[in-house]
Amino acid sequence: GNSVTQMEGPVTLSEEAFLTINCTYTATGYPSLFWYVQYPGEGLQLLLKATKADDKGSNKGFEATYRKETTSFHLEKGSVQVSDSAVYFCALGTKTSYDKVIFGPGTSLSVIP
Amino acid sequence: DAGVTQSPTHLIKTRGQQVTLRCSPKSGHDTVSWYQQALGQGPQFIFQYYEEEERQRGNFPDRFSGHQFPNYSSELNVNALLLGDSALYLCASSPLKLWGNYGYTFGSGTRLTVV
Repeated sequence: GNSVTQMEGPVTLSEEAFLTINCTYTATGYPSLFWYVQYPGEGLQLLLKATKADDKGSNKGFEATYRKETTSFHLEKGSVQVSDSAVYFCALGTKTSYDKVIFGPGTSLSVIP
Repeated sequence: DAGVTQSPTHLIKTRGQQVTLRCSPKSGHDTVSWYQQALGQGPQFIFQYYEEEERQRGNFPDRFSGHQFPNYSSELNVNALLLGDSALYLCASSPLKLWGNYGYTFGSGTRLTVV
């Protein structure tokens, strides 16, 4: 079945450091891939997405490239801010089962001044 | 334009009781999915509703049931509550036919505590 694996956290970085959160997936068909962010006490917000191989999703300085050959969708940001502290979830869905998006376990990020 | 609205935001129930959670999807969205998020974990899919029918279900017991109304709003019902049902319950909406382009829009969730 479909699944998502993320690097374990928590991740602690200093402000302006480079961020990478690894995500790999297993899926049948051709999945769409997503990164969601969850701030403390809130629901999930869509951060970025990619719907086909080699697509690059980007938003708010975050980027992730859909790599079919390595089944990966790693999240990156060149310079993190304290306000980026949150939990980040990698997720996938396929057109054959787009009614069931599968989420990874989440990676907690803390950015310290 | 209001996003996804969930109510209540918090509630406390006693083991064995029943609970109903409510969700109003984002305007223009016709599909509602429910997720359970235990503390420190990723959301787990419960089920999805479209055209007032349950389209797909995750690995949850029959104690979890739902409904979708003609205005696309939805309810999640949980019977015979267990301590392990304590979690954040998230509602997500999407336009079914354009799902791949938009993903889900989530509500802020209902925090259920079973004591």
